[in-house]
Amino acid sequence: GDSVTQMEGPVTLSEEAFLTINCTYTATGYPSLFWYVQYPGEGLQLLLKATKADDKGSNKGFEATYRKETTSFHLEKGSVQVSDSAVYFCALSEGGTSYDKVIFGPGTSLSVIP
Amino acid sequence: EAGVTQFPSHSVIEKGQTVTLRCDPISGHDNLYWYRRVMGKEIKFLLHFVKESKQDESGMPNNRFLAERTGGTYSTLKVQPAELEDSGVYFCASSHGLYTQYFGPGTRLTVL
Repeated sequence: GDSVTQMEGPVTLSEEAFLTINCTYTATGYPSLFWYVQYPGEGLQLLLKATKADDKGSNKGFEATYRKETTSFHLEKGSVQVSDSAVYFCALSEGGTSYDKVIFGPGTSLSVIP
Repeated sequence: EAGVTQFPSHSVIEKGQTVTLRCDPISGHDNLYWYRRVMGKEIKFLLHFVKESKQDESGMPNNRFLAERTGGTYSTLKVQPAELEDSGVYFCASSHGLYTQYFGPGTRLTVL
């Protein structure tokens, strides 16, 4: 079945460091890909998404590119801030939409220290 | 516009008791989903409503879990009787048609 794998955490970075969180997926069709974020004490928020190959999703300085050839959707940010400390979830939804259930990776906890 | 709301935010119950979780989706969203994250594991899909009908309940773990969505508005998820392994965070999400799912803050369930 469909699945999502992402790098294990926790990840600790200094402020202004470069962030990469790797994510790869397995799917039978052409899924939409998402990054969700959960800040401490809050619910899941959609960070960014991409619905087809080579699409780049971006938001709040974060970017991820849908790479069909490598089945990857790595999250990057050029300069992290303390406020980026959160748990990041890579996810997919089959069928090219989010109408279907969302399948999540295990989550990567990020701590940014001043 | 109000987001997805869930109640309660945290529930602590004894094994064998019953707990009912509630989710209020964003107004106008026909699709409502339940997910849960048990300790140390991935967030897993439980079921999907379209209006008041169950579209997909393939993720429901067993018959101790009962979800309803009367009138196609809010939804409840009842666990009866609760077991220790039911502890975790239960998320609700809603969407309008083919668009992005918006998640609520979750209900943290602790079964002692």
